[in-house]
Amino acid sequence: AQKITQTQPGMFVQEKEAVTLDCTYDTSDPSYGLFWYKQPSSGEMIFLIYQGSYDQQNATEGRYSLNFQKARKSANLVISASQLGDSAMYFCAMSPDTGRRALTFGSGTRLQVQP
Amino acid sequence: DVKVTQSSRYLVKRTGEKVFLECVQDMDHENMFWYRQDPGLGLRLIYFSYDVKMKEKGDIPEGYSVSREKKERFSLILESASTNQTSMYLCASSFWRERGYEQYFGPGTRLTVT
Repeated sequence: AQKITQTQPGMFVQEKEAVTLDCTYDTSDPSYGLFWYKQPSSGEMIFLIYQGSYDQQNATEGRYSLNFQKARKSANLVISASQLGDSAMYFCAMSPDTGRRALTFGSGTRLQVQP
Repeated sequence: DVKVTQSSRYLVKRTGEKVFLECVQDMDHENMFWYRQDPGLGLRLIYFSYDVKMKEKGDIPEGYSVSREKKERFSLILESASTNQTSMYLCASSFWRERGYEQYFGPGTRLTVT
């Protein structure tokens, strides 16, 4: 079984500052993927970034980077230079590379960017 | 671009009604999923399917069934709707690529059962 824990129900950040959203996970699968999704108030789920468990380097996608620490089982999302449009719910998720291919989600973090 | 569509954005049904939520994807993905989203709980997996006519129970299948007669279409059925099934329902599809089994989501259906 897999489990994702997001311990920050809500976060505030000033515009143009960086923010880190925490995510820890638990799994017995040897190979897996970690994902972050953004959900604005419109409700759509937007894929942000992916990290494979065997990737040596931390993933980056524009202003998003994933701080992957495999030994600590953490996969924190870092957003640099926050923008007002970053205000949304953020979900950390994972899926094994074999077997059940569904995502297991955390409970989410609501980020509010203040001007 | 991958497109996943859901038949309704908002739906209001009465207790005991049979409810159909339809999901269609246009990218020939083999995997399709139904999740429900509730505040503080994130998204929870109801059912999923790897192929036509096959289905697997997720973590919360009670009160739901599914149908996949064609590869592009995956339907979620509430046999007898109850108020505790009021929720946001999200459909997704995926296939294996360099980003693992990245899932593409539909816009969601907000279902209210009165």
